[in-house]
Amino acid sequence: DAGVTQSPTHLIKTRGQQVTLRCSPKSGHDTVSWYQQALGQGPQFIFQYYEEEERQRGNFPDRFSGHQFPNYSSELNVNALLLGDSALYLCASSLVLRGARTDTQYFGPGTRLTVL
Amino acid sequence: GENVEQHPSTLSVQEGDSAVIKCTYSDSASNYFPWYKQELGKGPQLIIDIRSNVGEKKDQRIAVTLNKTAKHFSLHITETQPEDSAVYFCAARVYSTLTFGKGTMLLVSP
Repeated sequence: DAGVTQSPTHLIKTRGQQVTLRCSPKSGHDTVSWYQQALGQGPQFIFQYYEEEERQRGNFPDRFSGHQFPNYSSELNVNALLLGDSALYLCASSLVLRGARTDTQYFGPGTRLTVL
Repeated sequence: GENVEQHPSTLSVQEGDSAVIKCTYSDSASNYFPWYKQELGKGPQLIIDIRSNVGEKKDQRIAVTLNKTAKHFSLHITETQPEDSAVYFCAARVYSTLTFGKGTMLLVSP
Protein backbone atom coordinates (compact mmCIF):
# COMPACT_ATOMS: atom_id res chain seq x y z
CA ASP A 1 0.00 0.00 0.00
CA ALA A 2 1.72 3.16 -1.22
CA GLY A 3 1.81 6.04 1.20
CA VAL A 4 1.83 9.72 0.33
CA THR A 5 4.55 10.56 -2.17
CA GLN A 6 5.97 13.96 -3.06
CA SER A 7 8.33 15.24 -5.72
CA PRO A 8 10.89 16.58 -5.98
CA THR A 9 12.65 15.94 -2.65
CA HIS A 10 14.79 19.06 -2.89
CA LEU A 11 14.59 22.21 -4.99
CA ILE A 12 16.69 25.37 -5.23
CA LYS A 13 15.22 28.50 -6.80
CA THR A 14 16.08 32.19 -6.92
CA ARG A 15 13.92 35.09 -5.83
CA GLY A 16 11.15 35.96 -8.26
CA GLN A 17 11.00 32.52 -9.83
CA GLN A 18 8.02 30.20 -9.83
CA VAL A 19 7.92 26.63 -8.49
CA THR A 20 5.58 23.64 -8.78
CA LEU A 21 5.53 20.85 -6.21
CA ARG A 22 3.68 17.57 -6.66
CA CYS A 23 1.87 15.15 -4.39
CA SER A 24 0.22 11.77 -4.81
CA PRO A 25 -2.12 10.83 -1.98
CA LYS A 26 -2.22 7.55 -0.12
CA SER A 27 -4.08 4.85 -2.02
CA GLY A 28 -7.82 5.25 -1.55
CA HIS A 29 -7.60 8.85 -0.30
CA ASP A 30 -9.34 11.69 -2.10
CA THR A 31 -8.44 14.82 -0.13
CA VAL A 32 -5.09 16.59 -0.20
CA SER A 33 -3.88 19.28 2.20
CA TRP A 34 -0.69 21.31 1.84
CA TYR A 35 1.41 22.65 4.72
CA GLN A 36 4.48 24.84 4.98
CA GLN A 37 6.99 23.98 7.71
CA ALA A 38 9.66 26.58 8.42
CA LEU A 39 12.80 25.44 10.22
CA GLY A 40 12.11 24.78 13.89
CA GLN A 41 8.37 25.35 13.54
CA GLY A 42 5.25 23.26 13.27
CA PRO A 43 3.52 22.81 9.91
CA GLN A 44 1.23 25.67 8.83
CA PHE A 45 -1.89 24.94 6.79
CA ILE A 46 -1.88 26.41 3.28
CA PHE A 47 -4.99 24.93 1.65
CA GLN A 48 -6.98 21.77 1.09
CA TYR A 49 -8.34 20.23 -2.12
CA TYR A 50 -11.26 17.89 -2.55
CA GLU A 51 -13.15 17.03 -5.73
CA GLU A 52 -10.68 19.21 -7.65
CA GLU A 53 -11.67 22.35 -5.76
CA GLU A 54 -10.00 24.38 -3.03
CA ARG A 55 -12.16 23.81 0.06
CA GLN A 56 -10.26 25.52 2.87
CA ARG A 57 -7.44 28.05 2.85
CA GLY A 58 -5.05 29.21 5.52
CA ASN A 59 -3.46 32.62 5.89
CA PHE A 60 -1.26 32.53 2.78
CA PRO A 61 -1.12 35.08 -0.07
CA ASP A 62 -2.48 34.49 -3.56
CA ARG A 63 1.06 33.72 -4.74
CA PHE A 64 0.29 30.26 -3.39
CA SER A 65 -2.10 28.34 -5.60
CA GLY A 66 -2.93 24.72 -6.19
CA HIS A 67 -4.67 22.19 -8.30
CA GLN A 68 -6.11 18.73 -7.87
CA PHE A 69 -6.40 16.29 -10.73
CA PRO A 70 -9.10 13.66 -11.39
CA ASN A 71 -6.78 10.96 -10.02
CA TYR A 72 -6.65 12.95 -6.71
CA SER A 73 -3.00 13.95 -7.10
CA SER A 74 -2.23 17.59 -6.46
CA GLU A 75 0.16 20.41 -7.27
CA LEU A 76 1.24 23.39 -5.22
CA ASN A 77 2.41 26.43 -7.18
CA VAL A 78 4.24 29.38 -5.69
CA ASN A 79 4.83 32.50 -7.82
CA ALA A 80 7.26 35.37 -7.31
CA LEU A 81 9.32 33.45 -4.76
CA LEU A 82 10.62 35.29 -1.70
CA LEU A 83 13.50 34.31 0.57
CA GLY A 84 10.92 33.66 3.28
CA ASP A 85 9.31 30.94 1.18
CA SER A 86 12.26 28.66 1.98
CA ALA A 87 10.75 25.79 3.93
CA LEU A 88 9.72 22.14 3.90
CA TYR A 89 6.43 21.78 2.01
CA LEU A 90 4.33 18.89 3.22
CA CYS A 91 1.40 17.20 1.60
CA ALA A 92 -1.12 15.24 3.66
CA SER A 93 -3.93 13.05 2.41
CA SER A 94 -7.19 12.00 3.99
CA LEU A 95 -10.51 10.51 3.02
CA VAL A 96 -14.08 11.68 2.75
CA LEU A 97 -16.26 8.77 3.82
CA ARG A 98 -20.00 8.75 3.22
CA GLY A 99 -19.98 12.50 2.82
CA ALA A 100 -18.04 13.22 6.00
CA ARG A 101 -14.37 14.18 6.14
CA THR A 102 -12.43 11.64 8.20
CA ASP A 103 -10.01 12.89 10.81
CA THR A 104 -6.72 11.25 10.06
CA GLN A 105 -4.20 12.98 7.82
CA TYR A 106 -1.17 11.09 6.58
CA PHE A 107 1.87 13.11 5.61
CA GLY A 108 4.38 12.65 2.84
CA PRO A 109 8.14 13.15 3.27
CA GLY A 110 8.00 16.73 2.02
CA THR A 111 9.82 18.85 -0.54
CA ARG A 112 12.64 21.02 0.77
CA LEU A 113 12.53 24.36 -1.08
CA THR A 114 15.46 26.74 -0.82
CA VAL A 115 15.10 30.24 -2.26
CA LEU A 116 18.36 32.13 -2.85
CA GLY B 1 -8.38 31.24 14.43
CA GLU B 2 -7.14 28.34 16.48
CA ASN B 3 -3.92 28.74 18.48
CA VAL B 4 -1.99 25.78 19.90
CA GLU B 5 0.73 26.21 22.53
CA GLN B 6 3.14 23.34 23.22
CA HIS B 7 5.57 22.82 26.12
CA PRO B 8 8.36 22.13 26.69
CA SER B 9 10.32 22.96 23.55
CA THR B 10 13.07 20.51 24.53
CA LEU B 11 12.89 17.50 26.83
CA SER B 12 15.83 15.30 27.82
CA VAL B 13 15.24 12.01 29.64
CA GLN B 14 17.16 8.87 30.46
CA GLU B 15 16.20 5.63 28.78
CA GLY B 16 13.40 3.98 30.74
CA ASP B 17 12.05 7.24 32.16
CA SER B 18 8.66 8.70 31.27
CA ALA B 19 8.16 11.80 29.13
CA VAL B 20 5.20 14.17 29.17
CA ILE B 21 4.46 16.86 26.58
CA LYS B 22 1.63 19.32 27.14
CA CYS B 23 -0.49 21.39 24.74
CA THR B 24 -3.24 23.94 25.11
CA TYR B 25 -5.70 25.12 22.45
CA SER B 26 -7.90 28.17 22.16
CA ASP B 27 -10.91 27.26 20.01
CA SER B 28 -13.59 25.31 21.87
CA ALA B 29 -14.87 24.06 18.50
CA SER B 30 -11.73 21.90 18.09
CA ASN B 31 -12.78 18.27 18.24
CA TYR B 32 -9.83 16.16 17.14
CA PHE B 33 -6.30 16.14 18.56
CA PRO B 34 -3.56 14.13 16.85
CA TRP B 35 0.07 13.75 17.86
CA TYR B 36 2.81 13.40 15.27
CA LYS B 37 6.42 12.26 15.51
CA GLN B 38 8.88 13.76 13.05
CA GLU B 39 12.35 12.34 12.55
CA LEU B 40 15.10 14.24 10.82
CA GLY B 41 14.50 14.55 7.09
CA LYS B 42 11.09 12.89 7.23
CA GLY B 43 7.47 13.96 7.23
CA PRO B 44 5.35 13.84 10.40
CA GLN B 45 4.09 10.38 11.36
CA LEU B 46 0.83 10.00 13.26
CA ILE B 47 1.44 8.17 16.54
CA ILE B 48 -1.84 8.59 18.41
CA ASP B 49 -4.97 10.73 18.30
CA ILE B 50 -7.98 11.50 20.47
CA ARG B 51 -11.42 12.86 19.78
CA SER B 52 -13.27 15.33 21.94
CA ASN B 53 -15.77 12.76 23.23
CA VAL B 54 -12.96 10.73 24.85
CA GLY B 55 -10.86 11.67 27.89
CA GLU B 56 -7.97 9.25 27.52
CA LYS B 57 -6.53 6.85 24.98
CA LYS B 58 -3.64 4.43 25.27
CA ASP B 59 -1.58 2.49 22.76
CA GLN B 60 1.18 0.38 24.32
CA ARG B 61 3.76 2.85 25.75
CA ILE B 62 1.95 5.93 24.49
CA ALA B 63 -1.11 7.60 26.01
CA VAL B 64 -2.94 10.84 25.42
CA THR B 65 -5.26 12.67 27.82
CA LEU B 66 -7.72 15.43 27.01
CA ASN B 67 -9.30 17.99 29.34
CA LYS B 68 -11.93 19.85 27.30
CA THR B 69 -12.87 22.18 30.13
CA ALA B 70 -9.31 23.40 30.52
CA LYS B 71 -8.61 23.09 26.77
CA HIS B 72 -5.45 21.11 27.21
CA PHE B 73 -4.18 17.71 26.16
CA SER B 74 -1.01 15.79 26.91
CA LEU B 75 1.15 13.04 25.46
CA HIS B 76 2.66 10.50 27.83
CA ILE B 77 5.43 8.14 26.78
CA THR B 78 6.48 5.48 29.28
CA GLU B 79 9.65 3.36 29.31
CA THR B 80 11.32 5.66 26.78
CA GLN B 81 13.84 4.21 24.34
CA PRO B 82 16.57 5.92 22.29
CA GLU B 83 14.48 5.40 19.14
CA ASP B 84 11.80 7.64 20.69
CA SER B 85 14.17 10.58 20.12
CA ALA B 86 12.50 12.92 17.61
CA VAL B 87 10.42 16.08 17.41
CA TYR B 88 6.83 15.63 18.57
CA PHE B 89 3.98 17.88 17.43
CA CYS B 90 0.51 18.23 18.86
CA ALA B 91 -2.31 19.56 16.71
CA ALA B 92 -5.95 20.56 17.01
CA ARG B 93 -8.54 20.34 14.28
CA VAL B 94 -11.31 22.84 13.67
CA TYR B 95 -13.52 21.90 10.71
CA SER B 96 -11.07 20.15 8.39
CA THR B 97 -7.81 22.00 9.07
CA LEU B 98 -5.08 21.14 11.56
CA THR B 99 -3.28 23.77 13.64
CA PHE B 100 0.04 22.57 15.02
CA GLY B 101 2.10 23.45 18.06
CA LYS B 102 5.73 24.47 17.61
CA GLY B 103 7.05 21.06 18.56
CA THR B 104 9.01 19.37 21.35
CA MET B 105 12.42 17.88 20.71
CA LEU B 106 12.64 14.73 22.82
CA LEU B 107 16.13 13.39 23.51
CA VAL B 108 16.38 9.94 25.12
CA SER B 109 19.86 9.11 26.40
CA PRO B 110 20.94 5.45 26.72
